[in-house]
Amino acid sequence: DVKVTQSSRYLVKRTGEKVFLECVQDMDHENMFWYRQDPGLGLRLIYFSYDVKMKEKGDIPEGYSVSREKKERFSLILESASTNQTSMYLCASSLGGQGSYEQYFGPGTRLTVT
Amino acid sequence: LAKTTQPISMDSYEGQEVNITCSHNNIATNDYITWYQQFPSQGPRFIIQGYKTKVTNEVASLFIPADRKSSTLSLPRVSLSDTAVYYCLVGGMTTDSWGKLQFGAGTQVVVTP
Repeated sequence: DVKVTQSSRYLVKRTGEKVFLECVQDMDHENMFWYRQDPGLGLRLIYFSYDVKMKEKGDIPEGYSVSREKKERFSLILESASTNQTSMYLCASSLGGQGSYEQYFGPGTRLTVT
Repeated sequence: LAKTTQPISMDSYEGQEVNITCSHNNIATNDYITWYQQFPSQGPRFIIQGYKTKVTNEVASLFIPADRKSSTLSLPRVSLSDTAVYYCLVGGMTTDSWGKLQFGAGTQVVVTP
């Protein structure tokens, strides 16, 4: 059974703080993704990675950065948190190669920035 | 960029068939259509994926017309446990297109006895 875990279910941070969201998958998947989920907007892709040390921008990368030093771990970084980054953050992973589109999601981290 | 549009909500009774349509007028030649299900406090879960015509698995069917500008997820004989939000995702299979992945806003399906 694929398992994607996220470091926190709930997080409260202050404006201007640096925030780290960690994601770990245990199925040796090549691809990892970070999304944010907001009511009425669905899921929007922030960044993705298809290999260690590789990262690509998604639809809304502004204000975020990522790090993938190991295959199983993908970190999302908010350099200076702002209130408009209050959201649910979802991490996902999938097998590499063409045709591998089934993404496995973690339970999410609800981040509140005050 | 294949912007996707889904109904906000749908109500159904147990035992009925539920059909959710996703519009994606600007779908690209290499794009696939994938549907996910999400329960409260959980991440989305893959249901089904297709490119054209019809795909069926043990939980759902996916109908895609020839022009591929829309797709319909069909849930046969729903039960209370099918109450969830359903998302349509359109995007390519290769990494150079993943930056343009587009989830729909989701359709809340409520099944009542």
